[in-house]
Amino acid sequence: QQPVQSPQAVILREGEDAVINCSSSKALYSVHWYRQKHGEAPVFLMILLKGGEQKGHEKISASFNEKKQQSSLYLTASQLSYSGTYFCGINTGGGNKLTFGTGTQLKVEL
Amino acid sequence: NAGVTQTPKFQVLKTGQSMTLQCAQDMNHNSMYWYRQDPGMGLRLIYYSASEGTTDKGEVPNGYNVSRLNKREFSLRLESAAPSQTSVYFCASSATGTGGSPLHFGNGTRLTVT
Repeated sequence: QQPVQSPQAVILREGEDAVINCSSSKALYSVHWYRQKHGEAPVFLMILLKGGEQKGHEKISASFNEKKQQSSLYLTASQLSYSGTYFCGINTGGGNKLTFGTGTQLKVEL
Repeated sequence: NAGVTQTPKFQVLKTGQSMTLQCAQDMNHNSMYWYRQDPGMGLRLIYYSASEGTTDKGEVPNGYNVSRLNKREFSLRLESAAPSQTSVYFCASSATGTGGSPLHFGNGTRLTVT
């Protein structure tokens, strides 16, 4: 079951904040966040595990609500380099399968 | 340290032709994956290999076969290519399962089937 991401697209002015949400219909073991720029490979941002552990870039902030089966990615004081498509991926069984959402397109303008 | 290397970068096939996409990682990771990416559909898992000697189907395995040649290499084969297989294919690896380990992606193979 593919997670649902919202919004599908967002345009920001440099310096503004944004929140990207990821919802699952199944209980979550972990949630991953990746950013992909046009024509490039996805790049890892953060992984959040049930129980509260987080691994990832220090400048990235995210939350994981196990009860609501949701995760949110917080982008603060956005920069032009934040532009790209953000994907969440969910692991529901603890093994190897990671199922991705359809992505959120973020564009940061001057 | 190259990370995950995929070859070729681009390929055009005619319907019915076969080809193998190659992937190698130099991070000593146990698990490897093949995803395809189509516009508006995100990344969909084709096959994965949790460890050397094992392979399992993902969400969209039909029309594909895989081989985990050794710990470093994981190949994807299209036996009889179809236009529906036109896509960007990404190989990825992780130290252990994705329950706790991030994916490291290769740069992708852009495949067109005419």
